Amino acid sequence: AAGVIQSPRHLIKEKRETATLKCYPIPRHDTVYWYQQGPGQDPQFLISFYEKMQSDKGSIPDRFSAQQFSDYHSELNMSSLELGDSALYFCASSARLGANVLTFGAGSRLTVL
Amino acid sequence: GQQVMQIPQYQHVQEGEDFTTYCNSSTTLSNIQWYKQRPGGHPVFLIQLVKSGEVKKQKRLTFQFGEAKKNSSLHITATQTTDVGTYFCAGPSNTGKLIFGQGTTLQVKP
Repeated sequence: AAGVIQSPRHLIKEKRETATLKCYPIPRHDTVYWYQQGPGQDPQFLISFYEKMQSDKGSIPDRFSAQQFSDYHSELNMSSLELGDSALYFCASSARLGANVLTFGAGSRLTVL
Repeated sequence: GQQVMQIPQYQHVQEGEDFTTYCNSSTTLSNIQWYKQRPGGHPVFLIQLVKSGEVKKQKRLTFQFGEAKKNSSLHITATQTTDVGTYFCAGPSNTGKLIFGQGTTLQVKP
């Protein structure tokens, strides 16, 4: 069965650089979530999209932005990167906003040097 | 804001011993979900509980949802080394996002 696809899997950037993470949800899933997970931490909600519209916003820095495109894939753009942005970034999708379980992608590991 | 708390943070057991992790929400939940994250992996859905007082079993794993729908537990009988990982409970907010507990990391000594 198709899963949630995230790219790149690993990314190394310098401080103040920009990074873009991509997420391809499971086909026919209309909701995409982005989570950030630091070492030994639980996943922290960043932002979500339902039918290409932002549905909720969490602890996402102003330096970050995201969108969902017409083909339902989503991108998380991170600018002016800081050392503290180093983390695992997970994308997850669900079939229905608020009610269904989340299927997570394998994650993108961002390291900021 | 809505919080989901989970204890203990870590648990080391000998293979064959039982393990339990507890989850408490600051608000009543429509459902509670459990995920397992292996070291270096991503959260993987285990189960969803919806009804008050619900109990579900998956082989050696037993999941309970409290009567007030604010707490839950996961119990593993006779742990095996394959049970190693971090177990998260998660509850939906009123806007749909999942709020995760802090997780319980299980180590199993063979």
